[in-house]
Amino acid sequence: DAKTTQPTSMDCAEGRAANLPCNHSTISGNEYVYWYRQIHSQGPQYIIHGLKNNETNEMASLIITEDRKSSTLILPHATLRDTAVYYCIVRVPPNNAGNMLTFGGGTRLMVKP
Amino acid sequence: NAGVTQTPKFRILKIGQSMTLQCTQDMNHNYMYWYRQDPGMGLKLIYYSVGAGITDKGEVPNGYNVSRSTTEDFPLRLELAAPSQTSVYFCASSYPSTGGSTDTQYFGPGTRLTVL
Repeated sequence: DAKTTQPTSMDCAEGRAANLPCNHSTISGNEYVYWYRQIHSQGPQYIIHGLKNNETNEMASLIITEDRKSSTLILPHATLRDTAVYYCIVRVPPNNAGNMLTFGGGTRLMVKP
Repeated sequence: NAGVTQTPKFRILKIGQSMTLQCTQDMNHNYMYWYRQDPGMGLKLIYYSVGAGITDKGEVPNGYNVSRSTTEDFPLRLELAAPSQTSVYFCASSYPSTGGSTDTQYFGPGTRLTVL
């Protein structure tokens, strides 16, 4: 699986959009970009994933650059409850060997009042 | 649906003791996983299972054993606890769709283990 690079920490004002970047310059053509987050002391939570098109769901939007070497997770109206560590993960689809996720250090997002 | 449940929530062990961390899921997922998370670090995969009777090693399997006799349960066994195993342990499960892109993993609340 391709490695990812994320900023260690970011701040965001409550109610504003939070834009979390991720670099994955060695991504392969069949690798997806996944985002998970981990709120303090809880298990990780799936947010969104994509291959090359931009994606949106009830939680967030995912913007993937045309060359797929980087992406941005957007939380459109951040709340205090969005304070968490956000993990960008790049991996191939599952096969019979399982769906392993490789977590790096992630970005610690602090949403401030 | 309770999702993924883990017991116990907290445990303190002495060096050399053994214990089993329990994990149960009620979503009929084929795949189950055990991760550990050391303070301030990301998660590392210990073992995983793609179905009942089938298990395989992940990134950090040493010092642990698993079994998968049913679809629902995936216990993690520590035989001789060591201080290096002090960590938070997360169990997860998933059901990969055909086509492979929507294999969301659902995580349990974790077990905080301290080995003294």
